[in-house]
Amino acid sequence: QVQLQESGPGLVKPSETLSLTCAVSGYSISSGYYWGWIRQPPEKGLEWIGSIYHTGSTYYNPSLESRVTISVDTSKNQFSLKLSSVTAADTAVYYCARGETGTMVRGPDYWGQGTLVTVSS
Amino acid sequence: QSALTQPASVSGSPGQSITISCTGTSSDVGFYNYVSWYQRHPGKAPKHMIYDVSNRPSGVSNRFSGSKSGNTASLTISGLQAEDEAEYYCSSHTSITNLVIFGGGTKLTVL
Repeated sequence: QVQLQESGPGLVKPSETLSLTCAVSGYSISSGYYWGWIRQPPEKGLEWIGSIYHTGSTYYNPSLESRVTISVDTSKNQFSLKLSSVTAADTAVYYCARGETGTMVRGPDYWGQGTLVTVSS
Repeated sequence: QSALTQPASVSGSPGQSITISCTGTSSDVGFYNYVSWYQRHPGKAPKHMIYDVSNRPSGVSNRFSGSKSGNTASLTISGLQAEDEAEYYCSSHTSITNLVIFGGGTKLTVL
């Protein structure tokens, strides 16, 4: 059974960088699929942030591309998200997920349970 | 405001059937057969219930079914059970940005 688990600080100060890691179990990232991040701000809809393939190829939402970096560590079977220059608008539940394509157009098939990140001083 | 429109809430009694709609446009739901549905219980990971409009992943109960007509996709749950009470989300591919987009979610209450 594929499982994903997000981890990282729950509180980030404005203008700083949000950093999250997703640990994958039950499947080797090196075996394929795309691994990405999705977020949901309070009272708002889900938004795809970006994805990465085990080779390091990345795909980002153009609306966030200038601030987002996704990386992968196949030796630890995990991948990470960095979002720079955060503001209160970046407060959200962040999910990691697996998809068949870089932009997950068929919809992710496995998700983590999500982690709330609050941007506040 | 979400890209795909879902009703905020629906309800039904045990044993009944309910349908949740997901309305998009001719650039997403109406154009591609890449509609998925997810079930999310509080504090749990979203679970993939339907993919490609009407297909069920292995292990998903056949009480869950999906369909599409024009720009609206639908998730039907038959024989409602207490454990079906959850939030349900739809997703679709959009040609406008070539990305995945989501609905705002529907809270299902089993009375």
